[in-house]
Amino acid sequence: AQKVTQAQTEISVVEKEDVTLDCVYETRDTTYYLFWYKQPPSGELVFLIRRNSFDEQNEISGRYSWNFQKSTSSFNFTITASQVVDSAVYFCALSGLQTGANNLFFGTGTRLTVIP
Amino acid sequence: EAGVVQSPRYKIIEKKQPVAFWCNPISGHNTLYWYLQNLGQGPELLIRYENEEAVDDSQLPKDRFSAERLKGVDSTLKIQPAELGDSAVYLCASSPRLADTQYFGPGTRLTVL
Repeated sequence: AQKVTQAQTEISVVEKEDVTLDCVYETRDTTYYLFWYKQPPSGELVFLIRRNSFDEQNEISGRYSWNFQKSTSSFNFTITASQVVDSAVYFCALSGLQTGANNLFFGTGTRLTVIP
Repeated sequence: EAGVVQSPRYKIIEKKQPVAFWCNPISGHNTLYWYLQNLGQGPELLIRYENEEAVDDSQLPKDRFSAERLKGVDSTLKIQPAELGDSAVYLCASSPRLADTQYFGPGTRLTVL
């Protein structure tokens, strides 16, 4: 079974603070992909990043960074120097290539509010 | 490059009425997905198409939901008759091929009264 847990339902930070969104996953697949999507108030899911299970290198893209640790089945997302435009719901998702049939399984999302 | 297009963006209907949603995927994307997103939840897959073939419809409530993807491009999702519990956002996504990154449209917010 594929499962994604985002324990933080809502987070509020003041602008310019750093914030980390947690994601823990479960899968029996040995080959899988992990994703983060952003859903602003407009409703569209915006793709942020995809990592495969064989690549544990952390990634940085501007103010965004991701920490993938297979040992703890976690794929956490950090926003540095948060901005009001970062306010959105963020979803972590998992796609397993064997039992997961390549379908995306989403967590319940974390609502981030950045206060000016 | 144009993204995934969905229409309508909003739909309000009375229960027992039929409703249809339309999706135009990104050009060249062979795989198309329909998701259901309830309030406060992540999207859940309803059906997946590889070209014009529905290859995974295990989560589609077939007594009232139907979908088609004629010619392997545009797709339509239909509900007949709608129930109060169908109120949700219906998202369409596409990817170049299976297991590639999925790109989502803006969704259709359905309200059933």
